[in-house]
Amino acid sequence: AAGVIQSPRHLIKEKRETATLKCYPIPRHDTVYWYQQGPGQDPQFLISFYEKMQSDKGSIPDRFSAQQFSDYHSELNMSSLELGDSALYFCASRDGQNTEAFFGQGTRLTVV
Amino acid sequence: AQSVTQLDSHVSVSEGTPVLLRCNYSSSYSPSLFWYVQHPNKGLQLLLKYTSAATLVKGINGFEAEFKKSETSFHLTKPSAHMSDAAEYFCVVTLFWGGGGNKLTFGTGTQLKVEL
Repeated sequence: AAGVIQSPRHLIKEKRETATLKCYPIPRHDTVYWYQQGPGQDPQFLISFYEKMQSDKGSIPDRFSAQQFSDYHSELNMSSLELGDSALYFCASRDGQNTEAFFGQGTRLTVV
Repeated sequence: AQSVTQLDSHVSVSEGTPVLLRCNYSSSYSPSLFWYVQHPNKGLQLLLKYTSAATLVKGINGFEAEFKKSETSFHLTKPSAHMSDAAEYFCVVTLFWGGGGNKLTFGTGTQLKVEL
């Protein structure tokens, strides 16, 4: 069965650079979540989308933005990267008719 | 508002002995509850879910959890631990409005160690 696809799996950026993380949800899933998991930390909610509209917002810095496109894939754009942005970024998708969320493998971002 | 408290940050058991990972939740409405497992450098895998049906939920790999509304708990158990169970476990709560969009709230995780 198709799963949530995230790309890239690994990314190394320098401070002050920009990064774009992509998430491809399971087909027919209309809800996408983004989470940030720092080393030894629990996942922190960043932002979510339902039917291409932002539906909820968590602790997402102003330097980050995200959107969900017409094909339901989502992109997380991160600018002016800081060392503290180094983390594992998870995307999850859910069918609005179902409560279960499926997670991607994550993108490990390292800022040097 | 919703929140999750995982009462133990680390649990250590011997192989073949029972596992108990504790989770308490707080929610203004009837929640949906999940347990996810994360192996080192891996993604999050769903173990089981409670969605207002049977209060005793069976999941993968022999895990089960019981939803107790009076105690606002959703503890995860397994009769006999296996070495491969060593991982981090997250209790997650969400509210289901039927239209998607509500965030998943994670507990702080419990690191399970299984010893020979």
